[in-house]
Amino acid sequence: AQRVTQPEKLLSVFKGAPVELKCNYSYSGSPELFWYVQYSRQRLQLLLRHISRESIKGFTADLNKGETSFHLKKPFAQEEDSAMYYCALTTSGTYKYIFGTGTRLKVLA
Amino acid sequence: DGGITQSPKYLFRKEGQNVTLSCEQNLNHDAMYWYRQDPGQGLRLIYYSQIVNDFQKGDIAEGYSVSREKKESFPLTVTSAQKNPTAFYLCAVGGQPMGAFFGQGTRLTVV
Repeated sequence: AQRVTQPEKLLSVFKGAPVELKCNYSYSGSPELFWYVQYSRQRLQLLLRHISRESIKGFTADLNKGETSFHLKKPFAQEEDSAMYYCALTTSGTYKYIFGTGTRLKVLA
Repeated sequence: DGGITQSPKYLFRKEGQNVTLSCEQNLNHDAMYWYRQDPGQGLRLIYYSQIVNDFQKGDIAEGYSVSREKKESFPLTVTSAQKNPTAFYLCAVGGQPMGAFFGQGTRLTVV
């Protein structure tokens, strides 16, 4: 069965420090992976997709099939990055999105 | 904002009552989803629908029911069989490769 693991419930970093939110998945085929973010009192929103290889708000994520990981990174954290982050997986040909348990990022001044 | 409307925002249910949560979209997406969000457990899939008049159970469908009579609408009924219904419920639409887009959510509380 497909599974997404986010090992950290809470990650606290200082402003300007690098950030890495971990995401590991289990799936034997070719997954499609996403990062979603939920700011306080806002709806859950898509941050980035691995197929786009894009950088959004300074965040990037690279799919590592060998390590089955899709870690989210940002070189310099900002206070406005404080939010709940979810990693999600879907597989080609299905419509199911499987989410991890989320990591709360706190950026300290 | 986003074309996905969930209502109501807050809902209170008495023990033994069925309640229905509304999800409407004007984004013209075929796929729609219902998730339950609990602290520390992330988002768990309740039901999803790929097309009108068709839907599939997710991982935690027991105690819930859905219908998909129109493309724009995917209501979720929380029945009295759901033992622990107090949670935040999220509706989403969309699919690959763009990703899913979420509504604002409904917070259901059993009183």
